[in-house]
Amino acid sequence: EVQLVESGGGLVQPGGSLKLSCAASGFSFKTSWMAWLRQAPGKGLEWVANINPDGSETYYLDSMRGRFTISRDNAKDSVYLQIRSLRTEDTDVYYCARHLHWAFDYWGQGTLLTVSS
Amino acid sequence: QSALTQPPSASGSPGQSVTISCTGTSSDVGGYDHVSWYQQHPGKAPKLMIYEVNKRPSGVPDRVSGSKSDNTASLTVSGLQAEDEADYYCCSYGGNNNPYVFGTGTKVTVL
Repeated sequence: EVQLVESGGGLVQPGGSLKLSCAASGFSFKTSWMAWLRQAPGKGLEWVANINPDGSETYYLDSMRGRFTISRDNAKDSVYLQIRSLRTEDTDVYYCARHLHWAFDYWGQGTLLTVSS
Repeated sequence: QSALTQPPSASGSPGQSVTISCTGTSSDVGGYDHVSWYQQHPGKAPKLMIYEVNKRPSGVPDRVSGSKSDNTASLTVSGLQAEDEADYYCCSYGGNNNPYVFGTGTKVTVL
């Protein structure tokens, strides 16, 4: 059974940093593209970043380039999203997902990040 | 970067069909056959329903179908059931400068 489990969300003050984690199981992680997406409470979905299987290629939504960093550790079957200089508008549920056939076929349950003073 | 345009709501009675449109531009929906659709129930993660315009992942019933014409993609759910009541989002690849853009979302209500 495919499982993606995000962690690391919580309450953070504006200007702070945070690293979200996503542990994968049930599929060949080391050969899979992975992605992070986010959703503001009651709002629509937004793609954040992708990373290729060996971590050598990363892609970001233009507005997030510079503050967001996607990375992975294939030895730990995990993908990460580091966010710096947090803003209140970064308050979202963050999902990790497997990226396959130009789509996102498996999703985690999400982790809520709240940026507030 | 602009979100793809979807109607805010759609509805149908059990057994009927509902079709949701997703309008983009020649740089995304019209330029690639990389449109996907997601179903999301309240408080749950999205679920992939359609990929590459009209392909169904394993486990998605064949009463769910997708299509595309020019800059508009569509999702049709036939034989509506209570479990189909959810939010639906389209997504399209938009090239290297704008890899993935989602639609505004459509709430489907089963009357």
